[in-house]
Amino acid sequence: QKEVEQDPGPLSVPEGAIVSLNCTYSNSAFQYFMWYRQYSRKGPELLMYTYSSGNKEDGRFTAQVDKSSKYISLFIRDSQPSDSATYLCAMSFDRGSTLGRLYFGRGTQLTVWP
Amino acid sequence: NAGVTQTPKFRILKIGQSMTLQCTQDMNHNYMYWYRQDPGMGLKLIYYSVGAGITDKGEVPNGYNVSRSTTEDFPLRLELAAPSQTSVYFCASSAGATNEKLFFGSGTQLSVL
Repeated sequence: QKEVEQDPGPLSVPEGAIVSLNCTYSNSAFQYFMWYRQYSRKGPELLMYTYSSGNKEDGRFTAQVDKSSKYISLFIRDSQPSDSATYLCAMSFDRGSTLGRLYFGRGTQLTVWP
Repeated sequence: NAGVTQTPKFRILKIGQSMTLQCTQDMNHNYMYWYRQDPGMGLKLIYYSVGAGITDKGEVPNGYNVSRSTTEDFPLRLELAAPSQTSVYFCASSAGATNEKLFFGSGTQLSVL
């Protein structure tokens, strides 16, 4: 069983839709949860970062962590064509000791059409 | 401010050839990493470095070597290239021991035929 599971999609939505992206994980020791956005032929860039359970909002983006269910989500409100990208979830056991050892999901490819 | 720069962007190798993927950052970050991304798969850590002269293995180090002689540069060496090393390689850096924000380069797409 992979440590981090993410449906690769593809997911195609009209402009203005609410998008829900999800990841599940198997190891309850994960404490730090991130969402990276990756445009075609570019490196990933950090979009959201959360610690433990709860919600975090940043503009049109909301990250949600449910540790009891081992489930994390990213919601995009009022989606725009510029949101078209691959979204990667990532998580780690500890903030510092793993020194960048992030465990990534496969990524979900999102297309927002005008 | 260029961030993390990787060269080359594309490369085709024959089986058994060797090459070095270059990575340099201008943010004075101590921590640098090499990841590989196979099609439809998540990124996997190959090697990382916590500062000049210090490197350590990640999840998938076999077939690769690294060195870190300066803070800015972290080259990845492939010896005896194999088809299983066909992938996109990303170099990343971070400011400190916390790993929540990695800055990635644009990647090197490598094909071994």
